[in-house]
Amino acid sequence: QSALTQPPSASGSPGQSVTISCTGTSSDVGGYKYVSWYQHHPGKAPKLMIYEVSKRPSGVPDRFSGSKSGNTASLTVSGLQAEDEADYYCSSYGGSNNVVFGGGTKLTVL
Amino acid sequence: EVRLVESGGDLIQPGGSLRLSCAASDFTVSNNFLSWVRQAPGKGLEWVSVIFAGDNTYYADSVKGRFTISRDNSKNTLYLQMNSLRVEDTAVYYCASRLEGLWFGGFDCWGQGTRVTVSS
Repeated sequence: QSALTQPPSASGSPGQSVTISCTGTSSDVGGYKYVSWYQHHPGKAPKLMIYEVSKRPSGVPDRFSGSKSGNTASLTVSGLQAEDEADYYCSSYGGSNNVVFGGGTKLTVL
Repeated sequence: EVRLVESGGDLIQPGGSLRLSCAASDFTVSNNFLSWVRQAPGKGLEWVSVIFAGDNTYYADSVKGRFTISRDNSKNTLYLQMNSLRVEDTAVYYCASRLEGLWFGGFDCWGQGTRVTVSS
């Protein structure tokens, strides 16, 4: 199972919106509604931000939103804040009891 | 509050073995799906293995035949036995779980990780 493809970096100024893409195949992202997004500050545990493509766990600000079209999922962070600066990873169910992650995107708040 | 605490990471030579532990509190390992996820230095997250409540186990191709996931219900602890370790197994290893719903629906509970370094 190959890793999902994410851009290595993304950036935006405070208050702006930024979208991070996550491209897979019809065997993972395109084939299931189980796409998740994680925020990871180095040295800390990853935090689930989005699950099932567009659902937010309790406590996650509504500035974070997810979507999917075909084999590509997207995470949009609106109203960027300094604390949003982190690494973001997508993941998808890949069938046959397997989960595949993306390579990660470093989000910089300028 | 659910808490997962990993331990057992170490510096180990290639070809060696190591067992990682993940102790759970406010969470019953026997009733839940539990996974191991790792992150190699400078790399992304990689799912490693899952154990079902019914004891079925599944592995990533990269570790199949070398790693074994298990749990001790009496100790409420998850394990990852790692054999025939390779340099490319060097990573921070996290245990993770989804507290409700399908196990692959998004890991909403993570430990802080334990570091494994495979080097001669």
